[in-house]
Amino acid sequence: DGGITQSPKYLFRKEGQNVTLSCEQNLNHDAMYWYRQDPGQGLRLIYYSQIVNDFQKGDIAEGYSVSREKKESFPLTVTSAQKNPTAFYLCASSPQTGTKNGYTFGSGTRLTVV
Amino acid sequence: GEDVEQSLFLSVREGDSSVINCTYTDSSSTYLYWYKQEPGAGLQLLTYIFSNMDMKQDQRLTVLLNKKDKHLSLRIADTQTGDSAIYFCAESFSGNTPLVFGKGTRLSVIA
Repeated sequence: DGGITQSPKYLFRKEGQNVTLSCEQNLNHDAMYWYRQDPGQGLRLIYYSQIVNDFQKGDIAEGYSVSREKKESFPLTVTSAQKNPTAFYLCASSPQTGTKNGYTFGSGTRLTVV
Repeated sequence: GEDVEQSLFLSVREGDSSVINCTYTDSSSTYLYWYKQEPGAGLQLLTYIFSNMDMKQDQRLTVLLNKKDKHLSLRIADTQTGDSAIYFCAESFSGNTPLVFGKGTRLSVIA
């Protein structure tokens, strides 16, 4: 079955360390997205990519980096420059950026920085 | 600018209808969506409505769109405990602009 997989589900890191969150999809979708979710804040867009080797900053890109070397993969690195990295991170994909099918979401990664 | 507003909480009794409301500011939206998020999980697309429609019904779900007031609602008939979740509305635009999500409404169903 096609889908979008995020790993790991839970991640713990020490303050000051970089950490990379994985997102893989086998839906043949062109566009992929990273959102951050905090209680009461809804979803905030970090980065998105419409095509391989291209990506754009979202609303809260500072302290994060991404790459899109393959269509299937869109990893997110949370760097030590991100001041408050503890959050729930959601990856999504879509055939294009605006379609009636909306986005397909992964099950999320909960990052805790101690 | 783009902005989507939702009330944060709603509590209903099992068997009653739930109505979750959403307002948006950009009249150029093409599709409007409702997503459901259960605890610790990703978002699941429930339904969508094209911006030139007024209503869409899908089993227990009814979506109403008032373009004049930029108001979207999701009605869940015969609400069950399994409907307890956070519900997000979102709007999309033509071109390559990503979806804009509201902050979500937490629905609590009391048995």
